[in-house]
Amino acid sequence: AQSVTQPDIHITVSEGASLELRCNYSYGATPYLFWYVQSPGQGLQLLLKYFSGDTLVQGIKGFEAEFKRSQSSFNLRKPSVHWSDAAEYFCAVGSFGNEKLTFGTGTRLTIIP
Amino acid sequence: DADVTQTPRNRITKTGKRIMLECSQTKGHDRMYWYRQDPGLGLRLIYYSFDVKDINKGEISDGYSVSRQAQAKFSLSLESAIPNQTALYFCATSPAGKYQPQHFGDGTRLSIL
Repeated sequence: AQSVTQPDIHITVSEGASLELRCNYSYGATPYLFWYVQSPGQGLQLLLKYFSGDTLVQGIKGFEAEFKRSQSSFNLRKPSVHWSDAAEYFCAVGSFGNEKLTFGTGTRLTIIP
Repeated sequence: DADVTQTPRNRITKTGKRIMLECSQTKGHDRMYWYRQDPGLGLRLIYYSFDVKDINKGEISDGYSVSRQAQAKFSLSLESAIPNQTALYFCATSPAGKYQPQHFGDGTRLSIL
């Protein structure tokens, strides 16, 4: 069965600093992967997705993620965070033939001035 | 107007009551999903439907039922609510096909006393 691990429950970053949120997946075949962001009181918004091709994918709001098959990882990065990036971030994995997504438990991001 | 609309947005009710949460979409997507979100547990799939005549159980379907009234409508029912069903519930939609992301409503916060 596919699974996703987000090892960091909560991360605090200074505004303007760089950010990396970790995501590790478990699946035998090639997965497809997503990052979503959830602001308070709102649903999940898609940041970016990967299913093939270039392993570095660009998303909205200046985010990017890199798929590393050897490490079973799909970490989310941003070079310089803004206060508006404070939210909860979810990694999700799906697989061809099993069109359901499995979500990680989320990482809550706090931005300090 | 939101593409995926959930009603109500908030609901407080008592143990043993029957509750229906509704989801409607204007995106024209074939697939619809119901999730619940609990702190520290991420999103867990309750039921999903790939078209009007297709209903499938997710990982935590016990105590829940669904109805797909039309392509655009997918409702979730709690026949006899219990306190541990207190959670944030999300409806999501996606197009048919491989590697499709899901699009989420803003959620229903349900409290069962």
